Formats: sequence, C-alpha cells, structure tokens
Amino acid sequence: GNSVTQMEGPVTLSEEAFLTINCTYTATGYPSLFWYVQYPGEGLQLLLKATKADDKGSNKGFEATYRKETTSFHLEKGSVQVSDSAVYFCALIQLSNDYKLSFGAGTTVTVRA
Amino acid sequence: KAGVTQTPRYLIKTRGQQVTLSCSPISGHRSVSWYQQTPGQGLQFLFEYFSETQRNKGNFPGRFSGRQFSNSRSEMNVSTLELGDSALYLCASSSPGTGEFSYEQYFGPGTRLTVT
Repeated sequence: GNSVTQMEGPVTLSEEAFLTINCTYTATGYPSLFWYVQYPGEGLQLLLKATKADDKGSNKGFEATYRKETTSFHLEKGSVQVSDSAVYFCALIQLSNDYKLSFGAGTTVTVRA
Repeated sequence: KAGVTQTPRYLIKTRGQQVTLSCSPISGHRSVSWYQQTPGQGLQFLFEYFSETQRNKGNFPGRFSGRQFSNSRSEMNVSTLELGDSALYLCASSSPGTGEFSYEQYFGPGTRLTVT
C-alpha cells in the first residue's frame, strides 16, 4: 500500500533560518504529492502540491520538488518567520482508484524570534 | 467561496453514547472524505463519499459509519463510543474530475470529540 515517511520533529529554528523537512514515499504508479500545514486549533491547509515528476510546487516562500528517482518531496523555505510555526504534513494520493490521502506523521516546527 | 464547515466544533460525550458529526463541503464539491486525527495514530482515513455513494473505507470498526446527502453534505456517526474515539475529526471536500488538480482536498476546522 501507499505510505509516507516524514522527518521526525520537533524542529526548532531561529527567525530567518533555512528550513528543510524531508519526505519520502512508497506508492505504485504515479501519485500526486502534497504538503499541508496545521496551525494550533485549526484544520489542515493545503500549502503546495505537485502532480508529476520534476514538478515544483511553491507557495508563501515554501517549495518542494517531486523527485521520482528518489521518491521524495522535501519541503524547503529559505527564511522562516515566527508565523511559520505549525505542524507540517506530507501526503500523497493515488489518482487511479484510490480516493484517500495517505499522510506522514507530521513535523512540528517552532520558529523563535 | 465559503470553505468547508463542520459542526459542532467541540463535543463531549460519555462512553457508550453515540454521536453524529456534520460536514458541509465547498459549494460545487461532490466528494467528501473523513479523517481521524489523534496524537498516537496521526491522520487516518475513515471513508470517502461521492454522489451519495461510499467509494472507499479505511480500517475502522463498524461503529464508524457515514452517509452523504443529495446536496453533498455529509454526516458521520460513531456508535457505542469508547475512550479511544477521542480525537479531532476532519472533513475534506474535493471536486474530482475537473482537471489536473481535481484531487486537491480542502479541509474543514474539525470537530474535537472528547469521550469521558
């Protein structure tokens, strides 16, 4: 079955530091890949997405590239802010006949001023 | 467009009771999925409905059930509540079949269920 392995946290950074959260996946075929973010007390927000190999998803300064050869979708941001403190989830969905998102365990990121 | 709404936002129930949670998808979205989020198990898929039909179901006991109405609104029901059912229940809607990003799922704020 499909699975997502995500870098364990928590991760604590200073403002303006570089953030990387590693994500690798196992799937048959060609899944679509997503990063979701969850702020305290809220639901999940779609941060970015990529639907095919070598696609780069980007949003709010975050980027992730769909690497089929390494089955990875690492999240990066060059200069984090305190407002980026949240839990980040990597996820995939198989478009063939599967209608569910498979999530990684989540990585808690805390950015200190 | 209004986002996904879930009611109620918070719920406290006693072991053995049953509960019904409601989800209204984004207007025009016909697929609704439900997920359970707990600190120990993370995010787990419960089921997905499209045009009032359940298309996929996760690995949960039969106490967990759901349905979808003709207006795409969905409800999930948990009977004979157990302490382990305490969780954040998230609903997501999507609009399959409308192109490259048709499987993007948009989440509601969740219903926080506490079973005592």
